[in-house]
Amino acid sequence: AQKVTQAQTEISVVEKEDVTLDCVYETRDTTYYLFWYKQPPSGELVFLIRRNSFDEQNEISGRYSWNFQKSTSSFNFTITASQVVDSAVYFCALRGTSYDKVIFGPGTSLSVIP
Amino acid sequence: NAGVTQTPKFRVLKTGQSMTLLCAQDMNHEYMYWYRQDPGMGLRLIHYSVGEGTTAKGEVPDGYNVSRLKKQNFLLGLESAAPSQTSVYFCASSYSTSMTSGSETQYFGPGTRLLVL
Repeated sequence: AQKVTQAQTEISVVEKEDVTLDCVYETRDTTYYLFWYKQPPSGELVFLIRRNSFDEQNEISGRYSWNFQKSTSSFNFTITASQVVDSAVYFCALRGTSYDKVIFGPGTSLSVIP
Repeated sequence: NAGVTQTPKFRVLKTGQSMTLLCAQDMNHEYMYWYRQDPGMGLRLIHYSVGEGTTAKGEVPDGYNVSRLKKQNFLLGLESAAPSQTSVYFCASSYSTSMTSGSETQYFGPGTRLLVL
């Protein structure tokens, strides 16, 4: 079965703190894609990153970084020096080769307090 | 290039009424999807389409029907609305399912808020 778990329902941090959002996935596929999406209070879903299962190199984009570890089936997302504009719900998602669908986790609501 | 658009943005229905949500994309994407988002539930797939003229059931298809008569449009219908269908509906599209193309990323519309009384 394919499944995405985001154990942290809500997180609150003070501005400028670092925060890590956890994502654990389950799949029987050997080739798959993992995604992170951001949903700010305005409601739209914004694509952040896509990671192939055969590329475990971590990625950094400005204050955002992603740590992909196949050994623990995790794809964690870290925001460095958080800002109020980072306040949003963040979704982790999984897509394998054996199905046409993307499976979303339940989301983590991040509040950055000024 | 408008990306993915959804019509309407907000709608109030009475129980038993019917309506159609329209999703349009101008990116020539093959795949299109309808999700619903409820508090604490994340996004759940209702129906999806892998190409013009084809549709398939997702995780929560009951009470909904879809049609993909044109490649750029994906319609979601509620024949007899129920209060349990009060939700935010998102449409998404992606180019293909090819794992080598890197083009399977889903792009979302702005959402439609539906309230069924």
